[in-house]
This record gives sequence, structure tokens and C-alpha cells, in this order.
Amino acid sequence: EAQVTQNPRYLITVTGKKLTVTCSQNMNHEYMSWYRQDPGLGLRQIYYSMNVEVTDKGDVPEGYKVSRKEKRNFPLILESPSPNQTSLYFCATGQWYGYTFGSGTRLTVV
Amino acid sequence: AQSVTQPDIHITVSEGASLELRCNYSYGATPYLFWYVQSPGQGLQLLLKYFSGDTLVQGIKGFEAEFKRSQSSFNLRKPSVHWSDAAEYFCAVDHNTNAGKSTFGDGTTLTVKP
Repeated sequence: EAQVTQNPRYLITVTGKKLTVTCSQNMNHEYMSWYRQDPGLGLRQIYYSMNVEVTDKGDVPEGYKVSRKEKRNFPLILESPSPNQTSLYFCATGQWYGYTFGSGTRLTVV
Repeated sequence: AQSVTQPDIHITVSEGASLELRCNYSYGATPYLFWYVQSPGQGLQLLLKYFSGDTLVQGIKGFEAEFKRSQSSFNLRKPSVHWSDAAEYFCAVDHNTNAGKSTFGDGTTLTVKP
């Protein structure tokens, strides 16, 4: 079954404590992307990757890092989380004809 | 800058009634256009897409959308709404000249009355 798996689903952390949200896909797609969803703001793209070792900034990259060392994985790294990064995060993969999204990671930074 | 506008934050329709959700975009070239649906607590699911050709596209769950270049619109329609259609709907533009970059609208929440 085609899947995009994000972990963890829920995370509460404290300001400044580094964290990583993992994303893995089994569809052999070259493209992967991260979004954050906030009430009334829709989804905003954080980073995307067109292929291994190729990453680009989306609309809201500040405070985030990504890496793409292998095709199936695209982790999102928050080096020093702040409360304004409290949000619902989605990983996506796909082709130009549409994307498949993970189930989301709800992050709370206190 | 590219943008997507969904003018209606919240829409309520009765079960069995028709539905139209509006989407307007601002983009220099012919965009790749999408509609996604998000049920509560779930990720997003692709409903339909437009790239070129026939401006009326059919999607899953009985939805369709029409691309109107003159109005920069890509409205989503369904002839008869079911209670299970209650969800949040997002219109999105893929930047075909900047492959990989995408912009989503703020979403429209659909409530279905029995």
C-alpha cells in the first residue's frame, strides 16, 4: 500500500530543545515536501526536495532545516523550537499530477 | 506573487443540495490546479486536478471542477451533497515554472445539514 508515514503523530516539547519529525514514503517518488497548517492560514510550504541531495525553501523556511540523503526519507529538523512553531505539520510526496500526504504531526512548543 | 483565494471560509448546505466552492488564483502562466479534501484529524486527499485540455475535470466522490481562464477561477462543484462530504476543502496551485513550489488557499469548511 502506498504510504507516507510521519512520526511522531503528536509531540509536546519545550522551547529550544532540538527535535526531528520523520517522514518516509514507499512510492519511490523523487519529490517530497513539508507543510505547516495553522487555523485560517491553510497550508504553507516549508521546504521541498526535488531529488536526493536537492532541497529548496518554500514560503516559510525560517527556523526549520531539512535533509534528503535518501529517496524515501525527508526529515524536518527544528534546531531550536519556539512557541510560534506550534502547528500541524504535513509531509507530502508525489508527482506533478498530485500529492499524497501523511497523516500529520501535531507539534506543541511550550 | 502567486496566490490562491478561497473567498468562503465556511459554507453550510443541506444534504442533497448542490454545492459550489470558489477558488481564484493569481499566476502568470497556465497553472496546475488542484482541489484537496481534509476530513477532521486526517491528512489531505486529492479530489481532482487540472493541467490542460478539457476545462471541466471530474474527480473522486462525485466532484467536478471547471477551469475558467478569463476569470482565473477553478470552482469545485457537486450536484448532491452527502453528509460524509463535511470536511475542509483546499484549492492549490502548483508552480509549473518553479517545479516543486506550491501554494494553497486558506480552505473552506463545509458543514452539511441533515
